[in-house]
Amino acid sequence: DAGVIQSPRHEVTEMGQEVTLRCKPISGHNSLFWYRQTMMRGLELLIYFNNNVPIDDSGMPEDRFSAKMPNASFSTLKIQPSEPRDSAVYFCASSLLESGTDTQYFGPGTRLTVL
Amino acid sequence: GDSVTQMEGPVTLSEEAFLTINCTYTATGYPSLFWYVQYPGEGLQLLLKATKADDKGSNKGFEATYRKETTSFHLEKGSVQVSDSAVYFCASPFQGGSEKLVFGKGTKLTVNP
Repeated sequence: DAGVIQSPRHEVTEMGQEVTLRCKPISGHNSLFWYRQTMMRGLELLIYFNNNVPIDDSGMPEDRFSAKMPNASFSTLKIQPSEPRDSAVYFCASSLLESGTDTQYFGPGTRLTVL
Repeated sequence: GDSVTQMEGPVTLSEEAFLTINCTYTATGYPSLFWYVQYPGEGLQLLLKATKADDKGSNKGFEATYRKETTSFHLEKGSVQVSDSAVYFCASPFQGGSEKLVFGKGTKLTVNP
């Protein structure tokens, strides 16, 4: 079975450029999460969706970050304009929420470097 | 607020040594508790979980028991292998039952042959 798919796996860009990260959750899952991981701050939840609707975006750093989930099988995280401090590994995770918390399945991550 | 505190690393052990990584939580009620593992260059994956007090989660020789008296969920393995080298994260749902998880800062384990 295919797990969570993220693309690209690596992205190198220059400051000021727009960056779009993509995620395909596990088929049938109804919740999707975007995380950011850095050495300094550890693993941070940026935003999560349930049934394609954003539920909590309190972790989104600032207006430069936006996320969408146009359908159950696709989500994007966009950074515009990008800054060097956005360099991190971005993970997408999905889960099937049936009652309360359930296991989150993580993708392999996108390593973003902003020069 | 809800939080998870886990032992800071890094932890370095020799093969076949005993492993304990401490995790304590503060939360509303008795939430499910999780241990995730992140191997180098990969995303996190569930290692084990416990859904109620006194439950023991186990997988790949790892165990953790949900102890409500001490609000702890310590991870143990009797004999570690080089392949266990990874970062381990304890996690708990935000506010007791939310699908949003709170993760500990992670503990890096290195096992030497």
